[in-house]
Amino acid sequence: DVVMTQTPVSLSVAIGQPASISCKSSQSLVGTSGKTYLNWLLQRPGQSPKRLIYLVSKLDSGIPDRFSGSGSETDFTLKISRVEADDLGVYYCLQGTHFPHTFGAGTKLELK
Amino acid sequence: EVQLVETGGGLVQPGKSLKLTCATSGFTFSNAWMHWVRQSPEKQLEWVAQIKAKSNNYATYYAESVKGRFTISRDDSKSSVYLQMNSLKEEDTAIYYCTWYNIGTRTDYWGQGVMVTVSS
Repeated sequence: DVVMTQTPVSLSVAIGQPASISCKSSQSLVGTSGKTYLNWLLQRPGQSPKRLIYLVSKLDSGIPDRFSGSGSETDFTLKISRVEADDLGVYYCLQGTHFPHTFGAGTKLELK
Repeated sequence: EVQLVETGGGLVQPGKSLKLTCATSGFTFSNAWMHWVRQSPEKQLEWVAQIKAKSNNYATYYAESVKGRFTISRDDSKSSVYLQMNSLKEEDTAIYYCTWYNIGTRTDYWGQGVMVTVSS
């Protein structure tokens, strides 16, 4: 299985400040179609996970452009340009290129 | 509005069986590829199973950890997907989410989850 390694495990950020989360895969996530199936999800406290970004950098519906994704092959990053209170929770990366789909262990974003 | 509602969870002894149901509405279920994803008490997410549509011959896929014990199925007439879980182990204890997501398009919906506890 593809191992997804997220860092840091937790992150404490003040409102209005930027945040960055890294996700590294144990093998390339470039699929046979040439697309890279790397997603980012947020699980707010007491809620189900909700996807923010798919195909490395495409925003899901209703996701503010404060969120951005980048990366290629095995190295990916989620950035929040200015953290808001609604952003707290646990962020997960998910790869869908190889079966089984696999998730990172999560990064907990707390407000400073 | 898309809705996915899981039912059927509970406390079960090791070795026993349980069947989860996910009732859906608000989208063309018959065309959707559906998944079950679970979250352990340690909060780790794990993809469990997928079932494709009739046009894909209802192909199914499983995580190695559940292969041979779990069966995913669907009833398009009821817009529902199921997870039959047999020979349950304590490590199957988790919140089970029914999800409709497409890894390459703007499709991502999750149910509220249902708790399954396997313990003697």
